[in-house]
Amino acid sequence: GESVGLHLPTLSVQEGDNSIINCAYSNSASDYFIWYKQESGKGPQFIIDIRSNMDKRQGQRVTVLLNKTVKHLSLQIAATQPGDSAVYFCAENSSGYSTLTFGKGTMLLVSP
Amino acid sequence: SQTIHQWPATLVQPVGSPLSLECTVEGTSNPNLYWYRQAAGRGLQLLFYSVGIGQISSEVPQNLSASRPQDRQFILSSKKLLLSDSGFYLCAWSVGVGTDTQYFGPGTRLTVL
Repeated sequence: GESVGLHLPTLSVQEGDNSIINCAYSNSASDYFIWYKQESGKGPQFIIDIRSNMDKRQGQRVTVLLNKTVKHLSLQIAATQPGDSAVYFCAENSSGYSTLTFGKGTMLLVSP
Repeated sequence: SQTIHQWPATLVQPVGSPLSLECTVEGTSNPNLYWYRQAAGRGLQLLFYSVGIGQISSEVPQNLSASRPQDRQFILSSKKLLLSDSGFYLCAWSVGVGTDTQYFGPGTRLTVL
């Protein structure tokens, strides 16, 4: 079936570096995408979202890029901090459906 | 503002015992409600979702069941727990249909021994 997946299960970076977390999706009908951050023992926290009529959206220190041609989504974190260490999930949704499809997650490890 | 609560935060239960996990949402009306399970180091598995009182959709055959007795209350139950029911249970809410963000609760850590 159609699914959302991640390329890298673990990403290790140094504090201050920029981080890029990638996500591939296969459902061409998906029109809404979300990135979540999950710290150990906590529920996922919304970071940023993007709709399919956009290819880039920026937040505070985070940028999401959407490439519909190759069905690829990425999350860029600028000046990564130790507090950014967490598992990051992408999720996608198609109009008319109440459910999200989640990727498997990428662990981001930030070293001081 | 909206808030979502889950109770209890942690739970240790013997195999074969019953289960009741509760989720409540404040600050919104007629939310969509969701139950997910997350195994250690794994992704999110959707178990149930509800778009209204008494309306429950099951995504995965389980020995679990869900109920929505009130607009902002979602309950996950089991009559007899299995070892494989251990995991981190997350409740989430959203409004509308389709392009709407889901917001998650703090989760319940269930260990079945």
